[in-house]
Formats: sequence, structure tokens, C-alpha cells
Amino acid sequence: KNQVEQSPQSLIILEGKNCTLQCNYTVSPFSNLRWYKQDTGRGPVSLTIMTFSENTKSNGRYTATLDADTKQSSLHITASQLSDSASYICVVRGGGADGLTFGKGTHLIIQP
Amino acid sequence: DSGVTQTPKHLITATGQRVTLRCSPRSGDLSVYWYQQSLDQGLQFLIQYYNGEERAKGNILERFSAQQFPDLHSELNLSSLELGDSALYFCASSPKAGALNEQFFGPGTRLTVL
Repeated sequence: KNQVEQSPQSLIILEGKNCTLQCNYTVSPFSNLRWYKQDTGRGPVSLTIMTFSENTKSNGRYTATLDADTKQSSLHITASQLSDSASYICVVRGGGADGLTFGKGTHLIIQP
Repeated sequence: DSGVTQTPKHLITATGQRVTLRCSPRSGDLSVYWYQQSLDQGLQFLIQYYNGEERAKGNILERFSAQQFPDLHSELNLSSLELGDSALYFCASSPKAGALNEQFFGPGTRLTVL
């Protein structure tokens, strides 16, 4: 069964600190992995997309990594800001009805 | 602002009723997706349309149906509503239906079934 597991479920850090969110998947075959940021009550917004051959991709203070061998991805946030408070969702395309399998997300809270 | 619009923003109704949620995709996007997000659940894919035709079906209940019209807007119909149908319903659109196409999400419709 295709699954995407994210950890931690929730995370609280102080403003200015760094953090890393994890995503493990069992989706097969694998096409790509995308990280979304979802502010409370709003639709998700794509941060990065990574294909099989990509190991690292950055978008400003967000850096995603992918290890296709171990089927793991991480999202590193540098110098966190209050506006980073949101849920971060890992989505893997490869299996499922439309090929998309969603993680349940990590709820990140940045405290001043 | 993603360019995807959804109406209404909020909807409160009673069990057993029927509602219609509307989505207008970004200009030029041919593919529309519907998702349900409950309080403790991640996004659940419901159904996808591409240029008016059903493209893929996910965990959509038989009480739910959708369609995409010639002008590419889409409607999600929910009938015989139950308390458990209370959730955020998102629509997303993409230019095509390919694997690398980014989906742009609308602001969602919050449905409350009392």
C-alpha cells in the first residue's frame, strides 16, 4: 500500500532557529515528491518539487533533500520566521488513483 | 492568490441535505482536482477532471458527484449529508494532467453539517 509518513506530527521552535521536517514514503513507482506549505484555513502552496535524479532543491530559506534509495525526504527551514508557522505537507506522485499520496503534514509553530 | 476561486467560502447545512460547491480554475488550466480535508486527516483526493472528462477517481463516496463544464469550471455535489462530511473542500487546477504539473489550490470551502 502506498503511504507517506511525516514526522514530527507537530513542532514548536523559536524564531530564528532552524528545523528539519521528515517524510518517508513507500510509494512505488516513484515519479516526484513535492513539499507544500499550508497556512491555517487556506489552500496548500507548493514549495519544491523533486524528481528521482534530484538530491537537493532550495527555495529561499527552504531546502528539500531526497534520498530515493531509502525513500526519504526532508525539508530544512533556515532562520525561521513567524510567517513560517503552518502545516507542511509531503506529497509523492507515483501510486494511487491519481498517482498522488499525501502525508498528514507537520504542524510547525514559530514562537517569538 | 493562486488564481483558483471557490464558492461559497463557508457553508452550514443540516444532515440529509444536498449542497453544491463551485470551483473556477486558473485561466488556461484544463485539469481540476477536488480534495477533502477533515480536521485530523490529511488531504484526501476525491476526483479529477481534465477538459470536461473524468480523469481519475479517488476516495469519493457514492453520495458525492462532480462535473466539469465546457467553460472548465467544476462543481462538486454532496448529497444525503452526514455529520462526518464536515470538512474543508479544496479545488486545485493545473495546466494539464501530467505528473510534473503543479497543482494550484483554491482557498477552500468550509462545510459544516449540523
